[in-house]
Amino acid sequence: NAGVMQNPRHLVRRRGQEARLRCSPMKGHSHVYWYRQLPEEGLKFMVYLQKENIIDESGMPKERFSAEFPKEGPSILRIQQVVRGDSAAYFCASSRGQGATDTQYFGPGTRLTVL
Amino acid sequence: AQKVTQAQTEISVVEKEDVTLDCVYETRDTTYYLFWYKQPPSGELVFLIRRNSFDEQNEISGRYSWNFQKSTSSFNFTITASQVVDSAVYFCALSNYETGGGNKLTFGTGTQLKVEL
Repeated sequence: NAGVMQNPRHLVRRRGQEARLRCSPMKGHSHVYWYRQLPEEGLKFMVYLQKENIIDESGMPKERFSAEFPKEGPSILRIQQVVRGDSAAYFCASSRGQGATDTQYFGPGTRLTVL
Repeated sequence: AQKVTQAQTEISVVEKEDVTLDCVYETRDTTYYLFWYKQPPSGELVFLIRRNSFDEQNEISGRYSWNFQKSTSSFNFTITASQVVDSAVYFCALSNYETGGGNKLTFGTGTQLKVEL
């Protein structure tokens, strides 16, 4: 029973390039959350998606960041024109439903380094 | 606004000692959920426990126990007879459940636990 999958595990980009982070939720889960962990900090919520819909993007930076969760395939977090401050660990979590009792299970994270 | 405070940034203990990790939270909701996650050196996040605001019973799972006290807005985590494998960063989190809006988590800044031989 596979858990939440994220790839790549490590990603290196130069300033100005694009970063694409992928997340495949656990089987049977249709709700995906993205969180960012800056060095020496806790995780901060970015965006919550259901299949084909963005439900809450209140934690997303206004520019350069976007997310999608298509009908088929993984959820994608896309960062355009990366800057050094984007260097962080990006975690995806999935849950079966959106209720308060639906625990979020996290993937291993993608560690983005911007040179 | 929701807030989770983990005042202990780093704790070092010797193996077999008991250790308690503190978590204090703030919320205006009457219904909420509290969580603990473990982040070992490998980096992934491991779910440990979820408690709802209506259930103040303490919980024990092996060497782990949790003390939820609504009166002090605390949800502390105790590891008895600590082991080197317990070395990790531990995060306390609070759910912000909104009808139709999901269940985003507010995390504390984490406590780094080092267990030495």
